[in-house]
Amino acid sequence: EIVMTQSPATLSVSPGERATLSCRASQSVSSNLAWYQQKPGQAPRLLIYGASTRATGIPARFSGSGSGTEFTLTISSLQSEDFAVYYCQQYNNWPPLFTFGPGTKVDIK
Amino acid sequence: QVQLVQSGAEVKKPGASVKVSCKASGYTFTSYGISWVRQAPGQGLEWMGWISAYNGNTNYAQKLQGRVTMTTDTSTSTAYMELRSLRSDDTAVYYCARTISSVGATYFDYWGQGTLVTVSS
Repeated sequence: EIVMTQSPATLSVSPGERATLSCRASQSVSSNLAWYQQKPGQAPRLLIYGASTRATGIPARFSGSGSGTEFTLTISSLQSEDFAVYYCQQYNNWPPLFTFGPGTKVDIK
Repeated sequence: QVQLVQSGAEVKKPGASVKVSCKASGYTFTSYGISWVRQAPGQGLEWMGWISAYNGNTNYAQKLQGRVTMTTDTSTSTAYMELRSLRSDDTAVYYCARTISSVGATYFDYWGQGTLVTVSS
């Protein structure tokens, strides 16, 4: 089973600053990686799929990169509404299953 | 617009079963799969399984095999998740999510609002 790790667990950032979140897979997942944002009391929201494609309606300040085992989510200039928990997720073709990372909490510095 | 609307909160005793529904609208139900994801209080996201709304094929997370059953009713565009032999550590918010499968990218693009299931004696 593929294990996903995320770092850091918590990232303290000032509004307007850049945030860089990392996600690592225990074995290659090619580009089959997605990123989600979750705010307290809300369902997760899809941000990025295919490692680097922004979902519909997602602002351009969110970008994803990477392939294989190392992935990055970058928020170029943090807005107040971006403070949340971010999860990466991979899909494995065989056995067919999804795995989430443990999450990175982005909070206000 | 795409919407997934889930059934309301449940309180169950240990050993009981719970069945959560997820009614889809705004798209062709049989063209996509539905996954179920749960989140224990203060914890991360855990994928539980997936069902094809086209043919009913399922894949379940290994740790839930034998306790979980996912079904769909295409006449009402509704997906169901039943979890049996409930334990206290099954207390969580349960989400349904529309699942996109394409070459090189498989992910959840729309989510239900979540259903809190509390297991307590």
